[in-house]
Amino acid sequence: EAGVAQSPRYKIIEKRQSVAFWCNPISGHATLYWYQQILGQGPKLLIQFQNNGVVDDSQLPKDRFSAERLKGVDSTLKIQPAKLEDSAVYLCASSHFKGQGTGANVLTFGAGSRLTVL
Amino acid sequence: GESVGLHLPTLSVQEGDNSIINCAYSNSASDYFIWYKQESGKGPQFIIDIRSNMDKRQGQRVTVLLNKTVKHLSLQIAATQPGDSAVYFCAKGRRSGGYNKLIFGAGTRLAVHP
Repeated sequence: EAGVAQSPRYKIIEKRQSVAFWCNPISGHATLYWYQQILGQGPKLLIQFQNNGVVDDSQLPKDRFSAERLKGVDSTLKIQPAKLEDSAVYLCASSHFKGQGTGANVLTFGAGSRLTVL
Repeated sequence: GESVGLHLPTLSVQEGDNSIINCAYSNSASDYFIWYKQESGKGPQFIIDIRSNMDKRQGQRVTVLLNKTVKHLSLQIAATQPGDSAVYFCAKGRRSGGYNKLIFGAGTRLAVHP
């Protein structure tokens, strides 16, 4: 099966500019996640969608970050205006909720979009 | 609050030796744990998971042990190979409101030497 697709792979912008990242999850996966991974750290959840509804955006800096998942498939994550501390890799992941069994909760990640803010 | 931490930031092993990567967690409200492997320039890749009502689970060359008494999780890799060199993350998962939430630790870098 095809993996999680993300674009662009790399983006360099100046602070206060805007940027958008796109994610296409695995076909049929209802849940989509955006994680932020700062260099040397583990991924931190920004927002989680179940189909096209948001189920968790508690750690999303809503004054500058926004995300949407129209039609419950593709998703975009936008940052406006960007700050220096937003430099990170933005990972998209998807999962197919299968119930209670082991392996039901596996997230499949894309390769990420690396953002550098100058 | 919830957190997942690792004991060592870097682990160096000789090729062919067994590797043990450790992880501690601070909150017992979790339903499962997952180990991910992340190679340079790639997204995290699933290795193995374990439900919180289990103590041990084995996969191909990997074993995960869960000690709920001391809130400790470990990943054992048998006969470590150069291809195992990567950063390894433990993550704890919890079901809430019909969906799953996953929290990652900081990661341990595994370096395999010939």
